Amino acid sequence: AQSVTQLGSHVSVSEGALVLLRCNYSSSVPPYLFWYVQYPNQGLQLLLKYTSAATLVKGINGFEAEFKKSETSFHLTKPSAHMSDAAEYFCAVIRAGKSTFGDGTTLTVKP
Amino acid sequence: ETGVTQSPTHLIKTRGQQVTLRCSSQSGHNTVSWYQQALGQGPQFIFQYYREEENGRGNFPPRFSGLQFPNYSSELNVNALELDDSALYLCASSPQGTGELFFGEGSRLTVL
Repeated sequence: AQSVTQLGSHVSVSEGALVLLRCNYSSSVPPYLFWYVQYPNQGLQLLLKYTSAATLVKGINGFEAEFKKSETSFHLTKPSAHMSDAAEYFCAVIRAGKSTFGDGTTLTVKP
Repeated sequence: ETGVTQSPTHLIKTRGQQVTLRCSSQSGHNTVSWYQQALGQGPQFIFQYYREEENGRGNFPPRFSGLQFPNYSSELNVNALELDDSALYLCASSPQGTGELFFGEGSRLTVL
């Protein structure tokens, strides 16, 4: 069975500060790992994905994530937060036709 | 390129009724999956269709069923609606073998 845990349901940062959203997964074999963003009243949009080609993955809007097998983690970071980054972020594991999403982290960006 | 489109966007049903939600996949995508997203939670995987066959299913009862058509569009049917079925239902299509999900904006179902 696979599972995803997002640590911290709410994260608040100041504009220009580092963004760190945490994700830990469990899977019996290396999975595909994803981060998605959801703006209010919209569907989910792909930020980035890990497929074993490189441990540091760069995505859209300046986000990146690092796959650490020893820690079973795939944390999402952005060096400098922008007001437009305020949204809900979901980490997901996809393997063998099944996808599992975390419960999400709401990012608030303060001016 | 047209993205994933879902209909209807909002609907209200009463307990015990049946509902059908529709999804048109993105051009070139042959895999469609459906998700239930309750308020404040992440999407929960319902099932996935590939070439008109169900090839993955989450922990949802049989009253949740689906279809995929030759043009890769899809339907989600829910029978005997319960109050807890109130949620945003998301459809996602993906190109074969990538695992990438491209989501529609969802159908918000309210069960009274």
